[in-house]
Amino acid sequence: GAVVSQHPSRVICKSGTSVKIECRSLDFQATTMFWYRQFPKKSLMLMATSNEGSKATYEQGVEKDKFLINHASLTLSTLTVTSAHPEDSSFYICMPEPGTGPYYGYTFGSGTRLTVV
Amino acid sequence: DAKTTQPPSMDCAEGRAANLPCNHSTISGNEYVYWYRQIHSQGPQYIIHGLKNNETNEMASLIITEDRKSSTLILPHATLRDTAVYYCIVRVVSGGSNYKLTFGKGTLLTVNP
Repeated sequence: GAVVSQHPSRVICKSGTSVKIECRSLDFQATTMFWYRQFPKKSLMLMATSNEGSKATYEQGVEKDKFLINHASLTLSTLTVTSAHPEDSSFYICMPEPGTGPYYGYTFGSGTRLTVV
Repeated sequence: DAKTTQPPSMDCAEGRAANLPCNHSTISGNEYVYWYRQIHSQGPQYIIHGLKNNETNEMASLIITEDRKSSTLILPHATLRDTAVYYCIVRVVSGGSNYKLTFGKGTLLTVNP
């Protein structure tokens, strides 16, 4: 089965600093990467979608300059929360999708709990 | 917007079957029904998927109505560890970036001892 590694699992940072979250597909090549955000007691909300080597496409209301996505390789994508503020505190989850299909059992990252103080 | 509707919560007694319904009345012919669950502070876990036939695996069974407008996830013998939020999602297989995997609000299943 697909193995996805997301790090860190938990991070606390000071307001105004930047935090980088990594998502790796360990046994497959991820052509597409989906990044989600989840606030407490809420469902997952898609933030952005990226294809390897291309700029990410952001959902309405998501600031592309605040949430920088790099998908430069088929096995690694990063989400950088720049100039983090307390309202950015959330649970961030990645989901890499292989380019070859069909692919049925999408595997999500284990998530990153970001707390901005 | 999510294309599915689920009850916000359900209770089930341990050892009994848990039947979780999902309505997806606008499902397209090439869209599959996926079920995921999320235990607190973890990423969603894949459970099962289907197109139009009933499916069963080691975790659960999926019953899809003939018109494909609704489905039911069945956990045959629920345990306390099955307490989680269950999400029903419809999406084409091998969608790529043009096909978003959109989550609704899901159903919080609480398995009681």
